[in-house]
Amino acid sequence: SQQGEEDPQALSIQEGENATMNCSYKTSINNLQWYRQNSGRGLVHLILIRSNEREKHSGRLRVTLDTSKKSSSLLITASRAADTASYFCATDGLIFGNEKLTFGTGTRLTIIP
Amino acid sequence: SQTIHQWPATLVQPVGSPLSLECTVEGTSNPNLYWYRQAAGRGLQLLFYSVGIGQISSEVPQNLSASRPQDRQFILSSKKLLLSDSGFYLCARTRTGGTSTGELFFGEGSRLTVL
Repeated sequence: SQQGEEDPQALSIQEGENATMNCSYKTSINNLQWYRQNSGRGLVHLILIRSNEREKHSGRLRVTLDTSKKSSSLLITASRAADTASYFCATDGLIFGNEKLTFGTGTRLTIIP
Repeated sequence: SQTIHQWPATLVQPVGSPLSLECTVEGTSNPNLYWYRQAAGRGLQLLFYSVGIGQISSEVPQNLSASRPQDRQFILSSKKLLLSDSGFYLCARTRTGGTSTGELFFGEGSRLTVL
């Protein structure tokens, strides 16, 4: 079953605007990660945020985590056409141990030049 | 290097035929290895994961099996394919082994079409 659910499922914005994607999950976690997938390719890790962190930055990416609401958001600032991709959140299963990651359903982001 | 090799990249197979998808990894020894399946336009479904040679955990009952005959080799198999086995299969590894998942490194995937 899917642990995470991304919202929205699809998002189209103009180049230069900011893009925000949200992820909700169901069970307690050790960490939450965000990945990017270009069409027909493998996933690429973007950022990891631990359960005791509330916010993390990496270049144009900002991730927040609210463990009380079991939710996370990914903000991409000053979007570029090359940011067009699908974005997935992934969580480890604290109750099952740390051996596996469960992915959400993804947000398909389209940046319009 | 965290290189992951998957092959074949694309495969078209008839219903009822066997399947073998192979994944080999480079880098740190004894990584955790994973097989995920992605249906068109959907998220990733974890099929199998392995924390060591010969150790396979299955996530969902299905028509597939996995084996890890060597530390850096992970194979996904089926004796008789079903139409529902069509999808994009992704192999992934952790940076190191053990109980910490950390980030996953993915291969470029194998696209299977069952006709």
